[in-house]
Amino acid sequence: QSVLTQPPSVSAAPGQKVTISCSGSNSNIENNFVSWYQQLPGTAPKLLISENHKRPSGIPDRFSGSKSGTSATLDITGLQTGDEADYYCGTWDSSLFTLVFGGGTKLTVL
Amino acid sequence: EVQLVQSGVEVKKPGESLKISCKGSGYSFTNTWIGWVRQLPGKGLEWMGIIYPDDSETTYSPSFQGQVTISVDKSTSTTYLHWNSLKASDTAIYYCARRGFGWTFDLWGQGVLVTVSS
Repeated sequence: QSVLTQPPSVSAAPGQKVTISCSGSNSNIENNFVSWYQQLPGTAPKLLISENHKRPSGIPDRFSGSKSGTSATLDITGLQTGDEADYYCGTWDSSLFTLVFGGGTKLTVL
Repeated sequence: EVQLVQSGVEVKKPGESLKISCKGSGYSFTNTWIGWVRQLPGKGLEWMGIIYPDDSETTYSPSFQGQVTISVDKSTSTTYLHWNSLKASDTAIYYCARRGFGWTFDLWGQGVLVTVSS
């Protein structure tokens, strides 16, 4: 059972938009920055979003992040088949004194 | 090129010891925290701990405290993850990752598959 809750899977058609949620609490998401990671099949995770909404160099603006209260959201627009991957949110938990990740969301582009 | 390069696949028996490595290059290794993350087969990411190469300050996740040891060799820009006595439940992929601002990991190694089986 992960401290951060993500839907196990989401799906949408190419070109469409998908939203992945990450739900936590005041000891983690509400009071700390959230990051998002993309893990393509058989590869290492890659940073997509830092500090709730910042995209590292090279990440397309189709990917955007936001945070409100104890929840964070990753939006992906203009879906491509190459976006099929597992997506993880992560943040520091001030009560557990540990970095916590969501359980991951598998994105399928139909 | 900025990168983290990890050591190769390991196959070990229960009770054996193991040390895997992660070598950083292309950036200021000494002044950047490096963390370790476990991924059990078919499962999500779990943070294990983190080390600051300059002074070897180390923080472990409560879940991994006492189970593994993280160390560093500044002279070779390499961090290590060590087990004294492996268990079958340690079978996983282990990633090293560079800590960016806050608790973001902005650069990841390619991962090391560790299989522990009798």
